[in-house]
Amino acid sequence: QKEVEQNSGPLSVPEGAIASLNCTYSDRGSQSFFWYRQYSGKSPELIMSIYSNGDKEDGRFTAQLNKASQYVSLLIRDSQPSDSATYLCAVDNTNAGKSTFGDGTTLTVKP
Amino acid sequence: KAGVTQTPRYLIKTRGQQVTLSCSPISGHRSVSWYQQTPGQGLQFLFEYFSETQRNKGNFPGRFSGRQFSNSRSEMNVSTLELGDSALYLCASSQVPGGLGTDTQYFGPGTRLTVL
Repeated sequence: QKEVEQNSGPLSVPEGAIASLNCTYSDRGSQSFFWYRQYSGKSPELIMSIYSNGDKEDGRFTAQLNKASQYVSLLIRDSQPSDSATYLCAVDNTNAGKSTFGDGTTLTVKP
Repeated sequence: KAGVTQTPRYLIKTRGQQVTLSCSPISGHRSVSWYQQTPGQGLQFLFEYFSETQRNKGNFPGRFSGRQFSNSRSEMNVSTLELGDSALYLCASSQVPGGLGTDTQYFGPGTRLTVL
């Protein structure tokens, strides 16, 4: 079992819809959780970070964290074609000096 | 402010050779982390350097090594290259140690290494 697992994808949604990306992790000592977006041929860029249980909203993006269920998700509202990319979930356990990425979920937003 | 720069951007080597990749962090950033990204294994943490010292190391063989200079620039070296080392090597810098966990980590464009 991988330490960080994401929806296998690919995920396709129509423009204007809500895209839901999910991630589970196994390390209960993890303290920090991140979502990165990676366009094809480019390097990852940080879009959301979340540290405590609940929701965190930033524009069209909402990250949700449930440490008891070891689950973190990313919702993208009003999806745009420019959101088409691979989304990487990343988990950090600073005490253990460990950063782990999921394999990513590829999202396609169709006009 | 200039971003993270990596050189070279593309590299082709043959099995058994060695390679050195370079990373210059964002000005003022003292921590540099290295990652390997492949289609099969995804993005995996190699190591992190801060103030010229290796802080953390991922689960990679000893053929993978690195160092950091007093100006925070970092190099990573892979010796005795294998076909499986073909990957995108990403460098990321942050202001303080802790890499990903600092929430200030920014990635460079990567070096695409192909081993023939």
